Amino acid sequence: QSALTQPASVSGSPGQSITISCTGTSSDVDGYKYVSWYQQHPGKAPKLIIYDVSQRPSGVSNRFSGSKSDNTASLTISGLQAEDETDYYCNSYTSNNTWVFGGGTKLTVL
Amino acid sequence: EVQLVESGGGLVKPGGSLRLSCAVSGFSVRSYSIHWVRQAPGKGLEWVSCISGTSSYIYYADSVKGRFTISKDSAKNSVFLQMDGLRVEDSALYYCTRDERGYTSGRLYYYNGMDVWGQGTTVTVSS
Repeated sequence: QSALTQPASVSGSPGQSITISCTGTSSDVDGYKYVSWYQQHPGKAPKLIIYDVSQRPSGVSNRFSGSKSDNTASLTISGLQAEDETDYYCNSYTSNNTWVFGGGTKLTVL
Repeated sequence: EVQLVESGGGLVKPGGSLRLSCAVSGFSVRSYSIHWVRQAPGKGLEWVSCISGTSSYIYYADSVKGRFTISKDSAKNSVFLQMDGLRVEDSALYYCTRDERGYTSGRLYYYNGMDVWGQGTTVTVSS
């Protein structure tokens, strides 16, 4: 159960778009549509922002979008805002019937 | 209001035990699966265990298998994590969170993500 691979940090300017990648294997990301993304502000519980690769829960801004190609899932945030500056985690179901998170990515809004 | 509230954390010596509780309100643990997810100080999220609504599906991370046991009391609308043989590396903030999923012929066929989280309870394992 190795963690999914995310970049440690990404950055972008207000109004720009950024993409965070999440690389797994054929046993997780590439094998299932059950990839989700979570936003976590310091001292707060994680918040679900994408599930089923690209589905947004009710109330989540349409500036957040998800996609997947083979063993790599991606989270794109468009129209960057200062409030987007925080940590993001991907998560996938696995062939062992378990779940695995990525190591997390810190987004900095310049 | 949909809410999950964790309790039971504390300071314990290596090799000791703790029982975490996740009290649920606003929905039934019979209808949703519940996960435990932990986060060591300054580190990322780590999935620990989950139990399905029917309790038919129970899974553990390799790092805790054989030491941790997840269970539920539907009458109390609560889920528990019995942690035995605790190690220093188990020190973390433990969250419970729910998901809505469906199985067919033992295979997952829909899953809507971990959509509601508690605020967590802190476990510290130290001599």
